[in-house]
Amino acid sequence: DAKTTQPNSMESNEEEPVHLPCNHSTISGTDYIHWYRQLPSQGPEYVIHGLTSNVNNRMASLAIAEDRKSSTLILHRATLRDAAVYYCILRVLGQGGSEKLVFGKGTKLTVNP
Amino acid sequence: DAGVTQSPTHLIKTRGQHVTLRCSPISGHKSVSWYQQVLGQGPQFIFQYYEKEERGRGNFPDRFSARQFPNYSSELNVNALLLGDSALYLCASSLAGTSGGRVQFFGPGTRLTVL
Repeated sequence: DAKTTQPNSMESNEEEPVHLPCNHSTISGTDYIHWYRQLPSQGPEYVIHGLTSNVNNRMASLAIAEDRKSSTLILHRATLRDAAVYYCILRVLGQGGSEKLVFGKGTKLTVNP
Repeated sequence: DAGVTQSPTHLIKTRGQHVTLRCSPISGHKSVSWYQQVLGQGPQFIFQYYEKEERGRGNFPDRFSARQFPNYSSELNVNALLLGDSALYLCASSLAGTSGGRVQFFGPGTRLTVL
């Protein structure tokens, strides 16, 4: 299975930008890069996704390396509510139109007031 | 609009029993996927169903089965429960027929404890 590698944990201060890195050196041409975050005892929440170009939405920005072997999730101004486990995920297509999300181990983000 | 709903929220079973978990997707979503999340790890893909047919299956034993109904809701069944089946079971739904990176929306999960 396609694999992503992330730091186990990161720390940030409130109102500062946060850059969460992810390596996915075995990514294939059809794999999309997705980011989700998860609070304890809740389901993962979608953050952002992309294929080749950088992407922005109201929650975050996604910067994808030119060779697609790494990406960075950028939270422009961290708030206490952004504290969560952030998963860098590859959406993998299979035979017959199947698709699955392949999760890594995630990065636990702590935001200090 | 309501998000993905799952029932029950919590469940306690003993080894050897079977369990049925239920999921209702977001209105209009025809694809439902199931994931298992063991404590401290990322979710692992179990099944994907689309239009009542199994589209994909992860590396799980035959004790795990699922089905999708005409209204696109889904059930996950696990037979002969083992202690290692204790986990948060997540259901996710997505639109079908769209190009590009379809987004899966997750429900809150069912916490299964096997004693």
